[in-house]
Amino acid sequence: DGGITQSPKYLFRKEGQNVTLSCEQNLNHDAMYWYRQDPGQGLRLIYYSQIVNDFQKGDIAEGYSVSREKKESFPLTVTSAQKNPTAFYLCASSIGTGGAYGYTFGSGTRLTVV
Amino acid sequence: AQTVTQSQPEMSVQEAETVTLSCTYDTSESDYYLFWYKQPPSRQMILVIRQEAYKQQNATENRFSVNFQKAAKSFSLKISDSQLGDAAMYFCAYRSGKGNSGGSNYKLTFGKGTLLTVNP
Repeated sequence: DGGITQSPKYLFRKEGQNVTLSCEQNLNHDAMYWYRQDPGQGLRLIYYSQIVNDFQKGDIAEGYSVSREKKESFPLTVTSAQKNPTAFYLCASSIGTGGAYGYTFGSGTRLTVV
Repeated sequence: AQTVTQSQPEMSVQEAETVTLSCTYDTSESDYYLFWYKQPPSRQMILVIRQEAYKQQNATENRFSVNFQKAAKSFSLKISDSQLGDAAMYFCAYRSGKGNSGGSNYKLTFGKGTLLTVNP
């Protein structure tokens, strides 16, 4: 079945470490997105990519980095510059480049700083 | 920038009853898309319903329907015959209709969510 796979489901990071969250899709979608979810905050856009080798900052990109070397993959790195990384991270993709038909989401990664 | 407001942090409904979740949004555009997403305890986001702003007819999907009031910038979700499996966080989202010209026009902007409890 087609879908989006996020791994790991739970991730623990020590202070000062970089960690990478994986997102893979087999839907042949062009666009991919990373959102952060905090309690009471809804979903906030971190980065998005419309095509391979291109990506744009969203509303809260500071302390994060991404790459889009393959259409299927859009990994997110949470760097040590992100001061409050504990959150739930959701990856999504959409048909074409526009998202007019909505997104398909992965099941998320819970990141905790220890 | 567009904003989406869900004024009800929590709602509850009795099983088999009807409940309406509110959503308002702020935009200067005339062409856009609106969505309702459901996030159950598994935290998997599921698309419930989609509305295109140029269509006056309210979207429906089985027990889920919307009341789209364009002039009032309101997009409420009605759940009929509520079931225990409807218990979830519900998010309203907005997407600009400015096409795929790049930039952030096509991102989804989400409200903060409404937590729905269904009582047996």
